[in-house]
Amino acid sequence: AQSVTQLDSHVSVSEGTPVLLRCNYSSSYSPSLFWYVQHPNKGLQLLLKYTSAATLVKGINGFEAEFKKSETSFHLTKPSAHMSDAAEYFCVVSDRGDYGQNFVFGPGTRLSVLP
Amino acid sequence: NAGVTQTPKFQVLKTGQSMTLQCAQDMNHEYMSWYRQDPGMGLRLIHYSVGAGITDQGEVPNGYNVSRSTTEDFPLRLLSAAPSQTSVYFCASSPTGTTSGRATRNEQFFGPGTRLTVL
Repeated sequence: AQSVTQLDSHVSVSEGTPVLLRCNYSSSYSPSLFWYVQHPNKGLQLLLKYTSAATLVKGINGFEAEFKKSETSFHLTKPSAHMSDAAEYFCVVSDRGDYGQNFVFGPGTRLSVLP
Repeated sequence: NAGVTQTPKFQVLKTGQSMTLQCAQDMNHEYMSWYRQDPGMGLRLIHYSVGAGITDQGEVPNGYNVSRSTTEDFPLRLLSAAPSQTSVYFCASSPTGTTSGRATRNEQFFGPGTRLTVL
């Protein structure tokens, strides 16, 4: 069975400094991995996805993530934080397994951006 | 395309009442699912469907029923509401592809959510 660990429940950065949100996963098969963002009182929006192509994945709003199989990690980064990046971020894993496979969400990391 | 739509946006129930949360998508996606979101717990899967006529339980199915009579619609029924079901509910859909003969999942598209309070 798959599982996702988001190592930090809350990350706080200053505007203009780099962002690192950490995600580790476990999976029995070659997984698909996703990052979603949720702004306060809003739905979820896909930031980026990895589906066994390039290991460095670029997403929207300047975010990117690198799939590292040896470390079972899929950390999310951004070179320079913006105030509008303040939100909750979810790492999600989906196995390439049997037909009934599902998506498993991590518990989320809340990103605060200080002026 | 409207994407994934959910109704209602907000609902207040009394303990023991029943209701149905509606979800529809117009993208012809085979896979649909219901999640609940509670503080500090991420999203937890309630039920899912891999196509019309096929449903299965997720992580937290107790107290909820689903059916999938059409590709477009996937309603979630609360049979007898309890305060523990106070939560935000999200419906999602996803296209299904295959790679090397195995089903794969592309990203999910989420509805705007339903905020449910059970008194």
